Amino acid sequence: AQKVTQAQTEISVVEKEDVTLDCVYETRDTTYYLFWYKQPPSGELVFLIRRNSFDEQNEISGRYSWNFQKSTSSFNFTITASQVVDSAVYFCALIPPGGDKIIFGKGTRLHILP
Amino acid sequence: GAGVSQSPRYKVAKRGQDVALRCDPISGHVSLFWYQQALGQGPEFLTYFQNEAQLDKSGLPSDRFFAERPEGSVSTLKIQRTQQEDSAVYLCASSDVQGRQDYGYTFGSGTRLTVV
Repeated sequence: AQKVTQAQTEISVVEKEDVTLDCVYETRDTTYYLFWYKQPPSGELVFLIRRNSFDEQNEISGRYSWNFQKSTSSFNFTITASQVVDSAVYFCALIPPGGDKIIFGKGTRLHILP
Repeated sequence: GAGVSQSPRYKVAKRGQDVALRCDPISGHVSLFWYQQALGQGPEFLTYFQNEAQLDKSGLPSDRFFAERPEGSVSTLKIQRTQQEDSAVYLCASSDVQGRQDYGYTFGSGTRLTVV
């Protein structure tokens, strides 16, 4: 079965703190893609990052970084020096081969307090 | 258009009423998806179109749900005899390449359906 688990339902941190959002996935496929999406209060899902299952290099984009560890089936997301505008719900997602379906986790609601 | 457009933005329906939700994908996008997002949950797959062909409807929760994309562009999700459990945000997404896994898809802002 394919599944994405985001154990943290809700996190609150004070602005400028670093915060890590956890994501654990399950799949029997050897080829797949992992994504992170941001859902601000306006409701649309904003694409943040994708990772190919064969590429375990970590990635940094500005204040965002991602740690993909195939051995533990984890794809964690860290925001450095958080800002109030980072407040949103963040979803980790898995796309199996074929690409015709996205399997989302339940999301982590992040509150950045001023 | 510049993005995926969904209408209406909000819909309140009385229990038993039929509703139709519209999705305008990005012009030229081949693939179109519908997702249902219940309150506090992640989006769940409903159905997938490639052009006008509905290739996967395995996520539709019952035969009260019906989706179409007759000309391969605009899509409509219809829910007949709405029930309270149908209350959710319905998200539409489109992609420019069939089955491409390395593209994150573009989502619309969704239609929030409330059944009273």
